Amino acid sequence: RKEVEQDPGPFNVPEGATVAFNCTYSNSASQSFFWYRQDCRKEPKLLMSVYSSGNEDGRFTAQLNRASQYISLLIRDSKLSDSATYLCVVYLSNDYKLSFGAGTTVTVRA
Amino acid sequence: ETGVTQTPRHLVMGMTNKKSLKCEQHLGHNAMYWYKQSAKKPLELMFVYNFKEQTENNSVPSRFSPECPNSSHLFLHLHTLQPEDSALYLCASSQVAGITGANVLTFGAGSRLTVL
Repeated sequence: RKEVEQDPGPFNVPEGATVAFNCTYSNSASQSFFWYRQDCRKEPKLLMSVYSSGNEDGRFTAQLNRASQYISLLIRDSKLSDSATYLCVVYLSNDYKLSFGAGTTVTVRA
Repeated sequence: ETGVTQTPRHLVMGMTNKKSLKCEQHLGHNAMYWYKQSAKKPLELMFVYNFKEQTENNSVPSRFSPECPNSSHLFLHLHTLQPEDSALYLCASSQVAGITGANVLTFGAGSRLTVL
């Protein structure tokens, strides 16, 4: 079983729509969780950390479900500029390794 | 310069060549990383240096040889590579490796390597 799994998509949505997708992780001892964004042919950049209580940053909402071992990302009022690949990242404490998912591609169309 | 800079941005090499990738960070971080990104695959961690000490070698073939002379610079020396090594090589840094809250990565723009 992969350490971090994501639906590769693509999720094709119109501008203004809401889009949401999940990421599952295999190790129940995982400590911290992140969403990174990667634009085409660019480097990944931190979008947001994911906290136990869930957190929001503008139009982006991240949730953590430890019981079912998944995190989610919801994007409201999608913009064309939200088109990117969203990488789920999971960190197991006392390990130097951050485990990355393969990414979920979102395409927002006009 | 700010952030993490990588050179060269593009590299084409034959299987018998020797080349090096360079990474420099201007963030005052103490940990630096090499990742490999192949199409449609998750980022693969190759090496981690924490306070200049190598703390992770993720079963990487010896044709890849890292060097970390100080906390701000990281090199990846390449020798007798294979075509399947063609990929985007990403350097990253964080405040410290292995500590929750201090391990958020800042990536460089990457070096796209093609092995003929």
